Amino acid sequence: AQSVTQPDIHITVSEGASLELRCNYSYGATPYLFWYVQSPGQGLQLLLKYFSGDTLVQGIKGFEAEFKRSQSSFNLRKPSVHWSDAAEYFCAVGVRAAGNKLTFGGGTRVLVKP
Amino acid sequence: KAGVTQTPRYLIKTRGQQVTLSCSPISGHRSVSWYQQTPGQGLQFLFEYFSETQRNKGNFPGRFSGRQFSNSRSEMNVSTLELGDSALYLCASSGSGSTTVDEQFFGPGTRLTVL
Repeated sequence: AQSVTQPDIHITVSEGASLELRCNYSYGATPYLFWYVQSPGQGLQLLLKYFSGDTLVQGIKGFEAEFKRSQSSFNLRKPSVHWSDAAEYFCAVGVRAAGNKLTFGGGTRVLVKP
Repeated sequence: KAGVTQTPRYLIKTRGQQVTLSCSPISGHRSVSWYQQTPGQGLQFLFEYFSETQRNKGNFPGRFSGRQFSNSRSEMNVSTLELGDSALYLCASSGSGSTTVDEQFFGPGTRLTVL
């Protein structure tokens, strides 16, 4: 069965600094990878997804992620964070045989210092 | 296009009761998935419905059930509520017409508190 690990539970960054969130997955074949963001009291919003092709994926709100098969990773990055980026971020993996079932990582809560 | 809507947004129940949550997907979407989110267990997949049929199921007891109607609206039911069922229940819809993975759009969730 597939699994997703987000090693960092909390990250604090200063506004304007760069941000990188780590995600490692475990799955034998090529997975379908997603990053979602959740603001307090809200549902999940899709930031970006990787299905195939170019391993550097651009998403909304200035986020990008890079799929590295050799490292089983799909890290999320943003060059310059804004106070509004404070939220919880979830990495998720889907597999073709399981339809739309997503397996989520535990999440990383991002705090932004002024 | 309207997003995924879930009703009610908040619910308070007592142990032993049952509860029904509702989800209306994005117009034209035929797949509806349900997830439970708790601080301890994180986000866990409950089940997925497509064209009124359960297509996938997570590892939850039989007290958790769902259904989908012909207009793709979905309901989930939890019977004999336990304290541990307190959670945010999220619904997601996608336009996927096949078994491949598709982008899912999430609703705001229903916050269930069991006393």
